[in-house]
Amino acid sequence: AAGVIQSPRHLIKEKRETATLKCYPIPRHDTVYWYQQGPGQDPQFLISFYEKMQSDKGSIPDRFSAQQFSDYHSELNMSSLELGDSALYFCASSRDRGLDVSPLHFGNGTRLTVT
Amino acid sequence: GQNIDQPTEMTATEGAIVQINCTYQTSGFNGLFWYQQHAGEAPTFLSYNVLDGLEEKGRFSSFLSRSKGYSYLLLKELQMKDSASYLCAVRVGISSGSARQLTFGSGTQLTVLP
Repeated sequence: AAGVIQSPRHLIKEKRETATLKCYPIPRHDTVYWYQQGPGQDPQFLISFYEKMQSDKGSIPDRFSAQQFSDYHSELNMSSLELGDSALYFCASSRDRGLDVSPLHFGNGTRLTVT
Repeated sequence: GQNIDQPTEMTATEGAIVQINCTYQTSGFNGLFWYQQHAGEAPTFLSYNVLDGLEEKGRFSSFLSRSKGYSYLLLKELQMKDSASYLCAVRVGISSGSARQLTFGSGTQLTVLP
């Protein structure tokens, strides 16, 4: 079965640079989520999109922005990178329309290292 | 806000049964989910509960008591590959397109010994 695809798998950037992470949700899934997971920490919700509209915001810094495109793929844009942004970034998708509860399915993540 | 608690670490022996508990205090509730995560990998969905009771899926079962804000994940016939972090997560949104994200607990690191 198709899974959530994220690219790149690894990314190394220097401080103050920008980075763009991409996510391709499972086909027919209508909701996309972005999570940040630091070393030894639980995943922290950043932002979500439902049917290409931003649906909720979590602890996403103002330096970050995201959008979902007409083909449902999503991009997380990160600017003025800081050392503390080094983390695993997961994208997840779910199919919510018409369903009361549906699980989130996670991609393999992008490991961002800021030096 | 949400407050989700689970033990930090647990150790069990191969072939045994282990129960991982999770307690939560949330504003609103729309399901409790269990995920398995190996180091550096994506969380993998295991089970979810919306109503009180036990849900069984092979070697894994999950229980929910909404009145007590309590859930557990039961793993039977433990295997070495079950060594991983187990994340309890709560969803609070109830309407389509709003707040359907999961809020995760800090995870329980399970070590299965031979």
